[in-house]
Amino acid sequence: EPEVTQTPSHQVTQMGQEVILRCVPISNHLYFYWYRQILGQKVEFLVSFYNNEISEKSEIFDDQFSVERPDGSNFTLKIRSTKLEDSAMYFCAGRESGGNTIYFGEGSWLTVV
Amino acid sequence: AQSVTQLGSHVSVSEGALVLLRCNYSSSVPPYLFWYVQYPNQGLQLLLKYTTGATLVKGINGFEAEFKKSETSFHLTKPSAHMSDAAEYFCAVSEDGNQFYFGTGTSLTVIP
Repeated sequence: EPEVTQTPSHQVTQMGQEVILRCVPISNHLYFYWYRQILGQKVEFLVSFYNNEISEKSEIFDDQFSVERPDGSNFTLKIRSTKLEDSAMYFCAGRESGGNTIYFGEGSWLTVV
Repeated sequence: AQSVTQLGSHVSVSEGALVLLRCNYSSSVPPYLFWYVQYPNQGLQLLLKYTTGATLVKGINGFEAEFKKSETSFHLTKPSAHMSDAAEYFCAVSEDGNQFYFGTGTSLTVIP
């Protein structure tokens, strides 16, 4: 069964550093998402991406964050100048055109120290 | 505005007992409703979903949920808990199949 894959599974970074989280969506998915889950809290929407541009973003997704799909396969989330409060599990998800269900990767656990 | 409320952040049941995890939603239109399960150190896995049609939906691992419009609920049940059911369970709602809103999750503990 095809699945969404994410790398790295766990990354520790120093405060102020840049982090790139990578996702390889399911091949027939056209809509992509990033969610995050701070430890013990709910899963929060960050951004959705379609046709090589952001379609929606939450108030969390400020100028510190950016997304791109540089090569038509990988979908990346870049976090510039990381802060302690960015420590969270980041989930990539995808959805096929016309579909109503999103499918998640296993997450990238980011720890900012 | 869409939102999801999961009553009970922690639920404990004995092995073999009924599992009931509660989810209530708010939506201005008939929603799509989902339950996802997160096993330790893993991602979110789709357990079941309601989109249209039959209001009682069956999912993987013996779970089922019933959409009750009058109660704005989508509670998750399983007749007999198994040790392997211990996980975090998330209810989610979507009005358009594009934006999804999650509850705060319910951690299920199964006592042997």
